[in-house]
This record gives sequence, C-alpha cells and structure tokens, in this order.
Amino acid sequence: QVQLQESGPGLVKPSQTLSLTCTVSGDSISSGSFYWSWIRQTAGRGLEWIGRIYTSGSIKSNPSLMSRVTISLDTSMNQFSLQLASVTAADTAFYYCARGTPHYGSYYYESWGQGTLVTVSP
Amino acid sequence: VLTQSPGTLSLPPGATVTLSCRASQSVYSSDLVWYQQKPGQAPRLLIYSASNRAAGIPDRFSGSGSGTDFTLTISRLEPGDCAIYYCQQDAGSSIVFGGGTKVEI
Repeated sequence: QVQLQESGPGLVKPSQTLSLTCTVSGDSISSGSFYWSWIRQTAGRGLEWIGRIYTSGSIKSNPSLMSRVTISLDTSMNQFSLQLASVTAADTAFYYCARGTPHYGSYYYESWGQGTLVTVSP
Repeated sequence: VLTQSPGTLSLPPGATVTLSCRASQSVYSSDLVWYQQKPGQAPRLLIYSASNRAAGIPDRFSGSGSGTDFTLTISRLEPGDCAIYYCQQDAGSSIVFGGGTKVEI
C-alpha cells in the first residue's frame, strides 16, 4: 500500500519561499498514471487545492496561486516537491501531499500524507 | 463553488443523516467525491463518482445525486462517525472543495 510523508521547514519568513517534499513509499512514483498533488488546509479557508503533477510530468496549479507555485517530480528519490514563493501569513496552513487516482476524466484522492504545519512568521 | 449544508449536525447514535453538497454549476457525477476528516487526521476517501464507495468503506455510507445537487447519507450513526465531511469537484482549471459539514454524535 502506498504511503506518503511530507517533510520540510515548519517555519518560513514572510517573502521567502516555502519548500516541501513528499516521499512516496510502497510504489514507484513513475509507475502507473497518478496525479501527485499538494493540498493545504486552514481553519478559515478549509481545504484548498494547490496543484498537481501527473506521472508524465504535466503540471496544473490553482489559478489563484499559479504564479507562485512550482511542483516537480524526482523519480530517482521517489519524491515530489512543492515550492511556494513570496509567502505571507495567509500561507500559514497544514500542507498535505496526496496521490490522485484518475477516474473518467477526473480524479480522487485515495492516499494522503499525514500533513505538516507550515507557519509564516518573522 | 461547492456549498455544503448544514454547517453542523448533532444527532444520536443510530440515526440517519443526509449531508448536502450543492454546486454553482452542473457537475458530472463522475467528478463528485466525498471525504471524511477526523480531528488531527488527513481526509479519508469515502465516495467517488458521486455514488461509488471506496475500498473498505462500510455500506452505511452512500452517495447520490446529479447535476448541481449531491448528497451523502450516513445510516446507523456510530460515535466513530464524528468528523467533518467534505465534497470535492474537478472544476477543470482546479480541484474545488466544499466548506464541509461537521457531524456530531
């Protein structure tokens, strides 16, 4: 069974870049056809989809964040990563990585990491 | 936009509860997903394609609906069903989540 684990700094200064990595175990990130995704959650905004990278490498991001988001795959490490530039306090949230399973042109998230809290503060 | 109602429900064990998820525009049933999230945990997939139960989900959980109106029904409520329930839609340019319904037992 696939497992995902987020890692990265828990504290980021305003205007800096938030960087998180999701390590995948139990399956190869380059096998099959999945949407490797980042989702965040705050008490105020609920669940917010950040973006995803397909196994082929194609990327789609939330239009509201697109200019600041970079998502990449590292097949040699079986990881994928998120970079969010120019962060503000509004980017403070729990960040989840998840694997999206394609289904009839859409996809659903069957596997999630446990989540990691990132706080943006001086 | 996905609007979930009510915001919070409080019901006794054994009851049946129906949660609503309303889309601002018509949604393909194949795009509608339900999750359960308990405190301190990541969301857990319950239902995909509006009515298909995910692996390991008991048949007390059922989904239905089409167009703009979808429902999640939980029958024979158990204390372990205390959670927030979210719906999700693939809006094309983005994945969208509803604001959630909290179920208290």
